[in-house]
Amino acid sequence: EAQVTQNPRYLITVTGKKLTVTCSQNMNHEYMSWYRQDPGLGLRQIYYSMNVEVTDKGDVPEGYKVSRKEKRNFPLILESPSPNQTSLYFCASSLLGQGNYEQYFGPGTRLTVT
Amino acid sequence: AQSVTQLDSHVSVSEGTPVLLRCNYSSSYSPSLFWYVQHPNKGLQLLLKYTSAATLVKGINGFEAEFKKSETSFHLTKPSAHMSDAAEYFCVVSDTGSASKIIFGSGTRLSIRP
Repeated sequence: EAQVTQNPRYLITVTGKKLTVTCSQNMNHEYMSWYRQDPGLGLRQIYYSMNVEVTDKGDVPEGYKVSRKEKRNFPLILESPSPNQTSLYFCASSLLGQGNYEQYFGPGTRLTVT
Repeated sequence: AQSVTQLDSHVSVSEGTPVLLRCNYSSSYSPSLFWYVQHPNKGLQLLLKYTSAATLVKGINGFEAEFKKSETSFHLTKPSAHMSDAAEYFCVVSDTGSASKIIFGSGTRLSIRP
C-alpha cells in the first residue's frame, strides 16, 4: 500500500530535549516536505527536499533541521525544542518536486513541549 | 511571491443545499492550485487540482472548482451538501517556476446542518 508513515504519532517532551520525528514514504517520490498545523494558520511549510541531499527552507524553518540521506526518509529534528513548537506536524511527499502533483500526507505527529 | 486567502474561516449550510468555499491567490508564475480536505483527527486528502489544463476541475465526492485567472480565484463548490462533507478545507497554491514552496490557506471549516 502506498503510504507516508510518521513516528511517533504523539510525543510529549520537555524544553531543550532533542527529538527526531521520522518520515518515510514507499512511493519513490522525489519531493518531501514538513508542515506544522496551528489553529487559524493552516499548514505552514517548514522544510522541503527536492531529492537526496537537496533540502531548502520553507516559511517557518527556525528551530528545525532536516536531512535527506535516502530517498524514502526525511526526518525532522528539533535540536532544542521550545513550547512554541507545540503543534501538529505533517510530512508529505509527491512526484517530481515542482509542486504541481498531488501531495500524499502522513497521519500527523502531535507534539507537546512543556 | 505566492499567497492564498480563504475568505471564510467558517461556512455553515443545510444538508442538500449548495456549498461555496472561496479562495483567492496570488502567484508570480503560472500557479498550480489544489483543494485538500481534512476530516476531524485525520490527515489531508486531495479533493482536486488545477495544473493549467481545463479551468473547470472536477474532484472527488461531487466537488468542483473553477480557475478564474482574471479574478485570481479558485472557489470550491458542490451542488448538494452531505453530512459527511463536514470537515476543514484548505486551498493550496504552488508555483511551477523555480521555487517549490507550497502555500496553504488558513482553512475553512464547513459545518452541515441537518
